[in-house]
Amino acid sequence: GAVVSQHPSRVICKSGTSVKIECRSLDFQATTMFWYRQFPKQSLMLMATSNEGSKATYEQGVEKDKFLINHASLTLSTLTVTSAHPEDSSFYICSAKSDRGYEQYFGPGTRLTVT
Amino acid sequence: DAKTTQPTSMDCAEGRAANLPCNHSTISGNEYVYWYRQIHSQGPQYIIHGLKNNETNEMASLIITEDRKSSTLILPHATLRDTAVYYCIVGFGGTSYGKLTFGQGTILTVHP
Repeated sequence: GAVVSQHPSRVICKSGTSVKIECRSLDFQATTMFWYRQFPKQSLMLMATSNEGSKATYEQGVEKDKFLINHASLTLSTLTVTSAHPEDSSFYICSAKSDRGYEQYFGPGTRLTVT
Repeated sequence: DAKTTQPTSMDCAEGRAANLPCNHSTISGNEYVYWYRQIHSQGPQYIIHGLKNNETNEMASLIITEDRKSSTLILPHATLRDTAVYYCIVGFGGTSYGKLTFGQGTILTVHP
């Protein structure tokens, strides 16, 4: 299957700072990428959908000015958590989809801890 | 998107078939059934998807009832590494869509 990577796998940052998470599709062109968040013992919650070259579409309740998403190329999307607070601590997972298939391929996730 | 109902948890003996049910009674005619699984602290893994016909790949089989209101994922010979949360999701396929709404899934535990 297709491979999606995320970097970093773990990050600890101080409250008030910003953190950037990268999501890359390694062997296919991802016309659409998705960002999810998962709190402990809960399911994945979709945060936003991004199409290459377009502005991201955010789910209801997700602050677009806090979670900045950039999908500048067909293989890279970034999520920047701005002015992070302890309640932003979570497991962030991206997925990617090409325009040829129906399935999404998920990255391994990034564990963010805000102290 | 249509909602799905899955049992909270299931057990299976290693080497036996694991049959995971899913109800999706409000599925619309052009919505697909997708199955993903998530092993602890990892990203979800795509397993299989289908529209109307039964499907099989190297990982699993998907049986969809004729009225499409329910489906069953079959892992033919479960191993310990199949222990995971299994998510049944209905959604639109094709190039224009792809949004997946994850429910709580079924925690499958495969024991020796």
